[in-house]
Formats: sequence, C-alpha cells, structure tokens
Amino acid sequence: DQQVKQNSPSLSVQEGRISILNCDYTNSMFDYFLWYKKYPAEGPTFLISISSIKDKNEDGRFTVFLNKSAKHLSLHIVPSQPGDSAVYFCAATGRDDKIIFGKGTRLHILP
Amino acid sequence: DVKVTQSSRYLVKRTGEKVFLECVQDMDHENMFWYRQDPGLGLRLIYFSYDVKMKEKGDIPEGYSVSREKKERFSLILESASTNQTSMYLCASSLGVSAFQPQHFGDGTRLSIL
Repeated sequence: DQQVKQNSPSLSVQEGRISILNCDYTNSMFDYFLWYKKYPAEGPTFLISISSIKDKNEDGRFTVFLNKSAKHLSLHIVPSQPGDSAVYFCAATGRDDKIIFGKGTRLHILP
Repeated sequence: DVKVTQSSRYLVKRTGEKVFLECVQDMDHENMFWYRQDPGLGLRLIYFSYDVKMKEKGDIPEGYSVSREKKERFSLILESASTNQTSMYLCASSLGVSAFQPQHFGDGTRLSIL
C-alpha cells in the first residue's frame, strides 16, 4: 500500500509561470516531508523539507506547503526555469530515519 | 559537501552471476541505504544500515544481501543475478542523529542483467 502518492506522472509548465507539484500521504505519524529533484543519470538531490509541525517552508524560488488535516503537501516553484525540468520525488520520514518515496512527477518547463 | 560514491556508473552482468555494488561515503554518516529505481515505481528501499555490521531489510530485500564492515562502505550483493534485477541502483547516506537529516545520494549504478 502506497504511503506517499504522487498522482500526476508528468506536468508541463510555461517558463516563468508557477509550477505546483502535489503529494498525498496516508501515515499521520510522519515527522518530516521532503522533496527531491532528479536529473537523468544522476542521483536525487535534496531540495527542501518541512516539519510536520509547520505549514510552510520557503527557500528561494521553492516553497513547500503542508496541510495535515488533508494529508497533503505541495511544492511551488516560482518562477519556473528551464533548469527545473526534472523528476521530482515527494518523500516522508518518521522516527526510524527511513524515507518513503512517491513514484515521482516529471516536470517539463516549456520555453 | 557530502560525497557518496558508487563504484560503477554502468555494469553488465549475466544471469546467475554474483554481483557486488559498492558505495562509499566520506562524511562519517551512520545511516546508509540501497534503493532501486524503476520507471513508474519510484525509489524502493532494498536494505539499510544504521551502523557497522548492522543491517535491516527494506521493502524489497528478496534476492539481495548487504555488507557493512566499515562505517564508510555499504555493499549490495546480488547473490544470483536475474533479469528482473536489471535496474538503476542508488546508494544514500544520512547522519544518524535524533534531529532530521536528509539522505544524500550517489549518482547511481545502471545494472543490466543479460
């Protein structure tokens, strides 16, 4: 049973506009939520995280929002740039340091 | 900067061979992990280790084993390779403290079993 779900396999966004990637989870015991970015032939790179006690975390062009009641989080990228084209993985972790990953969303930034 | 190094970027082996994938990290991290990444399935945890000589099964351990004789090195072993183990294998490490620390990944080994 998937504990972390990314229901959109792909997303296309015009350069300069906002990209919104969504993620749902089922386990209310998760402590932290993370987003990783992955280019082809490279390992995933940690992007941004949010603690379960917060509802927003911002780092430059990247903002993650957490809605605990809905068990939903989203990553906003604004403005979107060509280098943002990649696969984005949503992930969650609890006290055991294991990270549960979603299946990923491929983001295409269109010129 | 954390460096996680996987010994091979590409590897081709034959069915039935014993295959070793090596991973080394240089930041004295306690935790190390092995994942495989397949299209449409995301990253799935195979095995992980919280300390030297310790190992824990992940979600898909069947057909694999691991070895952690030194803190910086975590090896994934395919006991008898099969074609369904053709995949991208990713190693990761993280600092094992009570506060949250993200995992840092190597660049992956693309393994093909013929």
